[in-house]
Amino acid sequence: GAGVSQTPSNKVTEKGKYVELRCDPISGHTALYWYRQSLGQGPEFLIYFQGTGAADDSGLPNDRFFAVRPEGSVSTLKIQRTERGDSAVYLCASSLKRETEAFFGQGTRLTVV
Amino acid sequence: QKEVEQNSGPLSVPEGAIASLNCTYSDRGSQSFFWYRQYSGKSPELIMSIYSNGDKEDGRFTAQLNKASQYVSLLIRDSQPSDSATYLCAFYNQGGKLIFGQGTELSVKP
Repeated sequence: GAGVSQTPSNKVTEKGKYVELRCDPISGHTALYWYRQSLGQGPEFLIYFQGTGAADDSGLPNDRFFAVRPEGSVSTLKIQRTERGDSAVYLCASSLKRETEAFFGQGTRLTVV
Repeated sequence: QKEVEQNSGPLSVPEGAIASLNCTYSDRGSQSFFWYRQYSGKSPELIMSIYSNGDKEDGRFTAQLNKASQYVSLLIRDSQPSDSATYLCAFYNQGGKLIFGQGTELSVKP
């Protein structure tokens, strides 16, 4: 595709439910990044992939959060037992390779009620 | 010490003036630096990248990098109301993680 695509754009879920957020990077981009952004804050790093492997997952807040990228393209961020504090915009970005320009998708706004 | 620091603002400048946005970072090994613009309710949009010490100009935007001082800045000349947004600086640390500042809110008054 022409740009990074994230689905869904909006997700409302009940506390305790499981959610999956999808990111489809720019074709050919090997690096993929997930961020979480709350109002008035900069993007908070969660995890990044180089190819299929998670190169750095130090930003995942706890073991309820998990992300995969099985074929080195599409990535899914999975959140178990959602809490109201998980409500935020989840952003995905991709870059051609490590340490090059990264481009963002439109984000997924997650609301846990 | 925070990995990256930006003044949160808001920074208010009159239309036509120069807006100056600043950022300091802690990782001396960093080689790649970026400025993103984020309009309210939208995702960040890359506007400038800089890899070498000195200035890089693109239209009304100039990025300045001083690795010795661990400082990167963005100048916006002839500021327009449409430049009103939050500006985020970002850099890759030595581990390849892309780290963002908290952003500076810029308001350009007509």
